[in-house]
Amino acid sequence: AQKVTQAQTEISVVEKEDVTLDCVYETRDTTYYLFWYKQPPSGELVFLIRRNSFDEQNEISGRYSWNFQKSTSSFNFTITASQVVDSAVYFCALSEAGSARQLTFGSGTQLTVLP
Amino acid sequence: DGGITQSPKYLFRKEGQNVTLSCEQNLNHDAMYWYRQDPGQGLRLIYYSQIVNDFQKGDIAEGYSVSREKKESFPLTVTSAQKNPTAFYLCASRMLAGGRSTDTQYFGPGTRLTVL
Repeated sequence: AQKVTQAQTEISVVEKEDVTLDCVYETRDTTYYLFWYKQPPSGELVFLIRRNSFDEQNEISGRYSWNFQKSTSSFNFTITASQVVDSAVYFCALSEAGSARQLTFGSGTQLTVLP
Repeated sequence: DGGITQSPKYLFRKEGQNVTLSCEQNLNHDAMYWYRQDPGQGLRLIYYSQIVNDFQKGDIAEGYSVSREKKESFPLTVTSAQKNPTAFYLCASRMLAGGRSTDTQYFGPGTRLTVL
């Protein structure tokens, strides 16, 4: 069975600090997909990034970057120069390569960026 | 605008009543999903459907029912058999063919259900 662990329940940082959100996953499949979603106070889940298991290249998008390491089954998310608007709950999720592509979510990390 | 809509945003129910949550999408996505979120927890899958008139149970289907009569619509009924229905419910959809986007589920704004 697949599992996603986000060990950090809550993180608080001061604006402009860098912050890394950890995600560790378990799966028996060799082909799988990893995701990060952001949930602001309004509740809607906003898709941030998707990664295939066969693509270990790190990715940078503006202030966001992702570090995917199959050797440690981790898919960590870093926000550089954090801003108050980054305050939200962030979820890491995993889907295996079956047709249904069901998502298994971690329990989320509440990020609070203080002014 | 293309997207996923859920209604109502807030829903109050008395114990013993069935309620139906609406989910509509105009993205021409084939698959649709219902998730439940409890405070401080991740999302858990209730039901999903990959094609009209077909759907499968997820991890926590007991006390819920769905239908998929149209591609655009996937309503969820919370029945009186659901023992603890107070939660935030999120609907998602996904394209089944057409490149990178097929792996990604996109979510609606959610419905917050409270049982009084």
